[in-house]
Amino acid sequence: GAVVSQHPSRVICKSGTSVKIECRSLDFQATTMFWYRQFPKKSLMLMATSNEGSKATYEQGVEKDKFLINHASLTLSTLTVTSAHPEDSSFYICSARDFKRGGSGELFFGEGSRLTVL
Amino acid sequence: RKEVEQDPGPFNVPEGATVAFNCTYSNSASQSFFWYRQDCRKEPKLLMSVYSSGNEDGRFTAQLNRASQYISLLIRDSKLSDSATYLCVVNMRASSNTGKLIFGQGTTLQVKP
Repeated sequence: GAVVSQHPSRVICKSGTSVKIECRSLDFQATTMFWYRQFPKKSLMLMATSNEGSKATYEQGVEKDKFLINHASLTLSTLTVTSAHPEDSSFYICSARDFKRGGSGELFFGEGSRLTVL
Repeated sequence: RKEVEQDPGPFNVPEGATVAFNCTYSNSASQSFFWYRQDCRKEPKLLMSVYSSGNEDGRFTAQLNRASQYISLLIRDSKLSDSATYLCVVNMRASSNTGKLIFGQGTTLQVKP
């Protein structure tokens, strides 16, 4: 079964609105979670590393004020796309490492959230 | 130059065929390597790690060539269910603790009956 759950799986919104995506680790605690973005036929691009209880670490070129990340608990990280524009339409995927299931800490991915901004 | 490069394909093969994918990486300091599988509109899932000595898991064999900085994945006796995109993934840390994995674009495999 899934070890990382992401919600919603699909969301359609109007330009200018904000959208929140949740990522939950199931039956394990994740002090660190990762947010990726994937365009069609392109590779996954790491956007930011979400750290429980502290600020997220953003990759170069990713706007902090545009993509707000909150990691308020050991099992939940959220990504909020603020003032969404059509170019923000993409597949957003979170991941977390479960050291219980995999000795080296296999990285598990959420199911992904497909955002369409009209 | 991309950090991790793969031929996007698609590779169209008949059932039962053997198919091989290659992947090259640019950073010689890279230390851990993986193959992930991603089905259409789904999340990636770990297929196998790639070890220096090469490793095999059933019909799948992974090889690493550090000198040439490339990784390969061989699939024997292809099944229809092998149809997917195979992502080459590289990390600079041995245990990938940072999770800062660099993904290739992926190679698409279509296995035909």
